[in-house]
Amino acid sequence: DAGVIQSPRHEVTEMGQEVTLRCKPISGHNSLFWYRQTMMRGLELLIYFNNNVPIDDSGMPEDRFSAKMPNASFSTLKIQPSEPRDSAVYFCASTQGGFGYTFGSGTRLTVV
Amino acid sequence: TQLLEQSPQFLSIQEGENLTVYCNSSSVFSSLQWYRQEPGEGPVLLVTVVTGGEVKKLKRLTFQFGDARKDSSLHITAAQPGDTGLYLCAGPISGGYQKVTFGTGTKLQVIP
Repeated sequence: DAGVIQSPRHEVTEMGQEVTLRCKPISGHNSLFWYRQTMMRGLELLIYFNNNVPIDDSGMPEDRFSAKMPNASFSTLKIQPSEPRDSAVYFCASTQGGFGYTFGSGTRLTVV
Repeated sequence: TQLLEQSPQFLSIQEGENLTVYCNSSSVFSSLQWYRQEPGEGPVLLVTVVTGGEVKKLKRLTFQFGDARKDSSLHITAAQPGDTGLYLCAGPISGGYQKVTFGTGTKLQVIP
């Protein structure tokens, strides 16, 4: 298995633009998580899905953030409009059974 | 709220030295996970400890889960530069449906 695949690896965008981050979880994993990591706040859970259904989006910072999981093999995290304070590394992770997450390599987002 | 505090926050040691990092909580966890994150990559699961008092070894790394399941430690023997990274502990949140909370992390640097 290729692991959790995220794209793009790096994204630089101007303030106000829409940004879409993509994730392909490990086949057979039934839960998917989106995290944001910064030096100041560490790893923050934004939203997670179980069997493609959003279970908890309480970590989504604002209405500018949205996430979808249209099928078991694909999820997106969208920021519209983006702001400089959204600059961070965004990780996607998946699990089956909850005894350990497999993380992707992350998307480093820079909003200028 | 189930919080995990890790100490020390930063650690810089010479190659060959031994070290211990700690993960503490006032809450009981059913299990704890340890991850290592290298620069530019996502966290990678090292081990999951499940039983109070459990000790698991992974080459030069020894993981222990406290008897009361409120704390855990990671001991590294004869540290090597390849051990450099951010060490994170994580525990499942009660009623959280495979959701975990991550500790604050210990950033380890092993100097050759």
